[in-house]
Amino acid sequence: GENVEQHPSTLSVQEGDSAVIKCTYSDSASNYFPWYKQELGKRPQLIIDIRSNVGEKKDQRIAVTLNKTAKHFSLHITETQPEDSAVYFCAASYGNKLVFGAGTILRVKS
Amino acid sequence: DADVTQTPRNRITKTGKRIMLECSQTKGHDRMYWYRQDPGLGLRLIYYSFDVKDINKGEISDGYSVSRQAQAKFSLSLESAIPNQTALYFCATQAGQGNTEAFFGQGTRLTVV
Repeated sequence: GENVEQHPSTLSVQEGDSAVIKCTYSDSASNYFPWYKQELGKRPQLIIDIRSNVGEKKDQRIAVTLNKTAKHFSLHITETQPEDSAVYFCAASYGNKLVFGAGTILRVKS
Repeated sequence: DADVTQTPRNRITKTGKRIMLECSQTKGHDRMYWYRQDPGLGLRLIYYSFDVKDINKGEISDGYSVSRQAQAKFSLSLESAIPNQTALYFCATQAGQGNTEAFFGQGTRLTVV
């Protein structure tokens, strides 16, 4: 079925440490994998995305890696800061729609 | 700024009542979606529409209906609200071709008592 598994559900890190969130998908035809950040009381907003023709993409402290063979992709945040605290959602394309993971609550402790 | 706007932002309603949540967008996007957010369950797709004459059921469409009145407007209705429909509802839009960034509205917090 159309499924995206996301782990962990909660993650606490010390300021300055790295955080990694992992997702798996089920359809080998999926070709678009965005990550959204949702701050408390706000709407989800795109922070980075990757397409199936590349294996890694970076934007400052944020990177996403994709392993098409294993059908999983990961979000890496380096040098975490308190303002990184939020809920993070991964998603995968199934046909022309996005299916989201259950979300990860990231807490950065200062 | 082009945006996605949801009304109302908050609503409390009684069990059995009919309620409509509205979404309008100025982005000029063809695709519109309704998602429901519950703690620990992420964003689950209720209905989606790729143009004015196109309506598709999502993962959790039971108990909901939609209307795409125009390219810019997509409404979600609960014909007879029940307490387990208490949730945060998001409308989202995407441009028409391929897979691209989805833009979300501010959300509607619905409580059914």
